[in-house]
Amino acid sequence: NAGVTQTPKFQVLKTGQSMTLQCAQDMNHNSMYWYRQDPGMGLRLIYYSASEGTTDKGEVPNGYNVSRLNKREFSLRLESAAPSQTSVYFCASSRDRGYNEQFFGPGTRLTVL
Amino acid sequence: EDKVVQSPLSLVVHEGDTVTLNCSYEVTNFRSLLWYKQEKKAPTFLFMLTSSGIEKKSGRLSSILDKKELSSILNITATQTGDSAIYLCAVNRNNDMRFGAGTRLTVKP
Repeated sequence: NAGVTQTPKFQVLKTGQSMTLQCAQDMNHNSMYWYRQDPGMGLRLIYYSASEGTTDKGEVPNGYNVSRLNKREFSLRLESAAPSQTSVYFCASSRDRGYNEQFFGPGTRLTVL
Repeated sequence: EDKVVQSPLSLVVHEGDTVTLNCSYEVTNFRSLLWYKQEKKAPTFLFMLTSSGIEKKSGRLSSILDKKELSSILNITATQTGDSAIYLCAVNRNNDMRFGAGTRLTVKP
């Protein structure tokens, strides 16, 4: 049981480049989330998917897109990376939204030059 | 606007001390409040609180929710160096979870 896995672990991009962060969970959870964590700011929600086939914006969605590929996988895409997107990105999943704890992946450290 | 505020932002104590971390919130559609511990990598779940006044306990850690005061505390007794981490408070709303900025706890030998 791997829990929540993310790839890659580290990435360096140049301004304007694009990339996709991958996330998968093997806990049969319905809901999945993408967060970014910046120093002194806690975790901020970028997008979430309450169930397969649905996605919604979170607190800081600008500059990102997501795809809920199936129940297991939820990807985050940066179409044109900017230095302000330098951050640590966490994927998480929960059985359902609202009442359940979220389980987090190990994170991706992204630097945009 | 919904917000979750933690205090203090950082705290340095010595082994054996007892610490109390605070979390206050103003959110619409409150469902539950959660505490996480974050060391080097991903946050790990500690407690989920939904009812006022009922203490949750795990070893030296305990937590309680006060829905009247819109707040929660996390207590750690007899602290150890392994307790050094960032402690995150989060509030589950209808659809998502809002996090506080965290309290960085450092426990010195």
